[in-house]
Amino acid sequence: NAGVTQTPKFQVLKTGQSMTLQCAQDMNHEYMSWYRQDPGMGLRLIHYSVGAGITDQGEVPNGYNVSRSTTEDFPLRLLSAAPSQTSVYFCASSSSGSGGVLEEQFFGPGTRLTVL
Amino acid sequence: LAKTTQPISMDSYEGQEVNITCSHNNIATNDYITWYQQFPSQGPRFIIQGYKTKVTNEVASLFIPADRKSSTLSLPRVSLSDTAVYYCLVGDQDDYKLSFGAGTTVTVRA
Repeated sequence: NAGVTQTPKFQVLKTGQSMTLQCAQDMNHEYMSWYRQDPGMGLRLIHYSVGAGITDQGEVPNGYNVSRSTTEDFPLRLLSAAPSQTSVYFCASSSSGSGGVLEEQFFGPGTRLTVL
Repeated sequence: LAKTTQPISMDSYEGQEVNITCSHNNIATNDYITWYQQFPSQGPRFIIQGYKTKVTNEVASLFIPADRKSSTLSLPRVSLSDTAVYYCLVGDQDDYKLSFGAGTTVTVRA
């Protein structure tokens, strides 16, 4: 299994440009999420999905869109990039919990985005 | 979602035991306590999870007192490669909006 993969690894954008960060997992996980991590900070949840066709907002959703057309893929779209979106973006996935257990999240390697 | 509080940073030396305490005073009955480790330029990875008492695996131990209002991650005999940020999370299977907070930066020196 490849686990959680993210592309690209690095990206430089100009203010106002749009782009899509790709995330895929091959573990048949229902739950997928996107986080951003600014320097010296923890991870903040942007959007998440509990299954194909179901998405919801996290803590910092403004400026980002997501969709979940398949179980495997969960792309993150930046609509009009701003310097404040310069960050490292992590995608994660986990299976649905059972018996109340909070399931382990598997993280991708991250995408380092710079907006000029 | 239970709010957690951890120390910002801790320093240690190789071979010592490192104990990181996380406070979660409003933990709910169904909540589990989970710890993640993050190395620079990598995504976090799961270390250990527990509900009560003590849990041990090949990497760490997790101590949870009876009132469950705090937990302590214990890293035995740390090495330089244990230098990382450690995050404490509290929640159950329905907590989709988990926050990782700032974590505890552990620095191990030779």
